[in-house]
Amino acid sequence: GDSVTQMEGPVTLSEEAFLTINCTYTATGYPSLFWYVQYPGEGLQLLLKATKADDKGSNKGFEATYRKETTSFHLEKGSVQVSDSAVYFCALSGTGFQKLVFGTGTRLLVSP
Amino acid sequence: DVKVTQSSRYLVKRTGEKVFLECVQDMDHENMFWYRQDPGLGLRLIYFSYDVKMKEKGDIPEGYSVSREKKERFSLILESASTNQTSMYLCASSSRGGGRQPQHFGDGTRLSIL
Repeated sequence: GDSVTQMEGPVTLSEEAFLTINCTYTATGYPSLFWYVQYPGEGLQLLLKATKADDKGSNKGFEATYRKETTSFHLEKGSVQVSDSAVYFCALSGTGFQKLVFGTGTRLLVSP
Repeated sequence: DVKVTQSSRYLVKRTGEKVFLECVQDMDHENMFWYRQDPGLGLRLIYFSYDVKMKEKGDIPEGYSVSREKKERFSLILESASTNQTSMYLCASSSRGGGRQPQHFGDGTRLSIL
């Protein structure tokens, strides 16, 4: 079945450092890919998405490119802030009905 | 903005009780979902619904049931609560449109079964 693998956390960075959180997937067909973020005490919020190969999703300085050849959707940000501290989830939705399959989440901790 | 509201942020119940978790969305979405979130396991789908009175089992439906009598409301029911159902429960909704439509989440209910 479909699955998502993302890097273990926590990822600990200093403010203004470069961020990469790796995400790879296994799926049949042409899934849509998503990054969600969960701030402490809150539900998940959509951060960005890409629906076809080579699409780049972007939002709030975060970017991720849908790479079909490497089945990857890595999340990047050029300069993180303390306010980016949260748990980040990579997810995919297969063709047809939109059941989401999530990775296990990666906690990001940014210190001043 | 889409608003998904879960009735309780924190809930404490006893083993064997029947527990109701309520979720309401205000954007006329066709699809609604219930997940549970556990450390190291990510989010796992319990049940979903794509229309009023329709329901489908997700990946971990055992011990749960759902009800969708109105389009905006989706209830999760723990028929006889057990300690292994202590978890964070998240409700989500989305519009029709296949896999490209994102899901919108509520803030979650942290349920403790004693």
